[in-house]
Amino acid sequence: GENVEQHPSTLSVQEGDSAVIKCTYSDSASNYFPWYKQELGKRPQLIIDIRSNVGEKKDQRIAVTLNKTAKHFSLHITETQPEDSAVYFCAASIWNNDMRFGAGTRLTVKP
Amino acid sequence: DGGITQSPKYLFRKEGQNVTLSCEQNLNHDAMYWYRQDPGQGLRLIYYSQIVNDFQKGDIAEGYSVSREKKESFPLTVTSAQKNPTAFYLCASSIGGTGTGELFFGEGSRLTVL
Repeated sequence: GENVEQHPSTLSVQEGDSAVIKCTYSDSASNYFPWYKQELGKRPQLIIDIRSNVGEKKDQRIAVTLNKTAKHFSLHITETQPEDSAVYFCAASIWNNDMRFGAGTRLTVKP
Repeated sequence: DGGITQSPKYLFRKEGQNVTLSCEQNLNHDAMYWYRQDPGQGLRLIYYSQIVNDFQKGDIAEGYSVSREKKESFPLTVTSAQKNPTAFYLCASSIGGTGTGELFFGEGSRLTVL
């Protein structure tokens, strides 16, 4: 089955700096890659997703890139703000099959 | 107010007891899921259901059971056979099956076994 690895497990940046979180997946048939943000004590919420027919997607300060050949995808957050502090999860899924999540990255943005 | 509701938010259980966690959604979503969240392990799939009266095991189904008698409801029973049940449990739903789009999560239920 699909295996998703996520790095780093913790990340601390200064406000205004960029943050990058990387994930790798094992099953080349995976075609959907979402990213979820979970603030302390709250439910995970989708922040951006990408499908395998697209190499990059942006939404304001966040972007996701996908390298199908290398089987990895990354989340990029620019101009970080304290409210970006949260746990971020990547996931990979094959259409109508299991969605597997990475172990999460705890991002801390220092004011 | 549309959404997905889990109850109870906190639950304490003695060893050997079964407990049932409730999950209700009014989003008219076909698919529903149960995930377990432990520190440093991400979200692990327990069970999922794509349609009423049908459900599939996830990676860690042992010691758990579910039912899907109604589209809007997907309760999870943690049985005494689950060896380490203390965890945070998240229910989710989606319009279609996994990989078709966004998962909408409930606020979670924290189960503690005493």
